[in-house]
Amino acid sequence: DVKVTQSSRYLVKRTGEKVFLECVQDMDHENMFWYRQDPGLGLRLIYFSYDVKMKEKGDIPEGYSVSREKKERFSLILESASTNQTSMYLCASKWTENTGELFFGEGSRLTVL
Amino acid sequence: QKEVEQNSGPLSVPEGAIASLNCTYSDRGSQSFFWYRQYSGKSPELIMSIYSNGDKEDGRFTAQLNKASQYVSLLIRDSQPSDSATYLCAALSYSGAGSYQLTFGKGTKLSVIP
Repeated sequence: DVKVTQSSRYLVKRTGEKVFLECVQDMDHENMFWYRQDPGLGLRLIYFSYDVKMKEKGDIPEGYSVSREKKERFSLILESASTNQTSMYLCASKWTENTGELFFGEGSRLTVL
Repeated sequence: QKEVEQNSGPLSVPEGAIASLNCTYSDRGSQSFFWYRQYSGKSPELIMSIYSNGDKEDGRFTAQLNKASQYVSLLIRDSQPSDSATYLCAALSYSGAGSYQLTFGKGTKLSVIP
């Protein structure tokens, strides 16, 4: 079974703190994604990556950056957390670009005070 | 801007009934379609995919695709309380230069009443 593991299920941070969300997949997927999910707004794509050291902006990249130094690991970084970044963050991966079959991690619920 | 539209619900059906979830998409070039189920507090999981016009059945679930009408649906027969969840519809489109875009709807919340 494909496993996508997110390092933290729940985080509470203060405004202005730097936040790292880690995601690791164990099936050699090339494609990895970071979404945030908010009530009424659905899933929104923040960043994605199709290869090591490669990144592409999604629909809402402002206030976020990413890092993909190894194929299995994709990190989301909030340089200076703000209260409007309180959300559920979901990491996902997939085999190839031309499939819609995403494997999601369990999610990281971030609260910024 | 590619869009996938779903009725947010909640859709309430009695146990044993057929639940019908609907989705429309804006990009006529969308190639394949997916239904994800998301239980409260959990992450989405893929339950059905459909690539060509017509019906695709898997157990109690049937996905239906009508590309002419740009319409996708998911039928759940003999609905069970365990089917209560939010169902996300997604469409995959080719966006050029070897890239593909997966667009999600906002989801329909289904409640199956015992």
